[in-house]
Amino acid sequence: RKEVEQDPGPFNVPEGATVAFNCTYSNSASQSFFWYRQDCRKEPKLLMSVYSSGNEDGRFTAQLNRASQYISLLIRDSKLSDSATYLCVVNPYNTDKLIFGTGTRLQVFP
Amino acid sequence: SQTIHQWPATLVQPVGSPLSLECTVEGTSNPNLYWYRQAAGRGLQLLFYSVGIGQISSEVPQNLSASRPQDRQFILSSKKLLLSDSGFYLCASKEHRANTGELFFGEGSRLTVL
Repeated sequence: RKEVEQDPGPFNVPEGATVAFNCTYSNSASQSFFWYRQDCRKEPKLLMSVYSSGNEDGRFTAQLNRASQYISLLIRDSKLSDSATYLCVVNPYNTDKLIFGTGTRLQVFP
Repeated sequence: SQTIHQWPATLVQPVGSPLSLECTVEGTSNPNLYWYRQAAGRGLQLLFYSVGIGQISSEVPQNLSASRPQDRQFILSSKKLLLSDSGFYLCASKEHRANTGELFFGEGSRLTVL
């Protein structure tokens, strides 16, 4: 089983739609979780951290479910500029590694 | 914030030839450094990471190696490239012991092995 798994998509949604991505992780002792965004042929960039209590940044909401070992990212009121690949990242406990999922591709159309 | 310089940006190499990708970091000291590879249409695979000079952890057995001769320099090498080594190689840096999870990436090196 992969350490971090995501639905590759693509998710094709119209502008203004709400879309949600899930990510599961296999190591129950993982300590930190993040969402990154990667535009086509570019390097990934941190979108937001995921806190145990859930957190929101504008139109983006991230949540963590430790019992079920998954994290989620919700995007409200989708914009054309949200089109990208969204990568789930997990930091296993007591390591310096950051493990990336394969990414979920989002395409927002007019 | 940190700035990651990575080169060369693009290279085309024949099978069996050597490889050297270099990465340097500005704006921090004693960072954790990482090499990732992203094959076409796939996610980032962690190849190596380093928490200090001369300290290299290898994540996958393969014909690649990494070295960290200086605090802010990270090198990825191969003696003989394989076709399967083609991909997008990314160097990344993170503040040592920081839990923010923010990796700063270089712009990547796109390698095609023919």
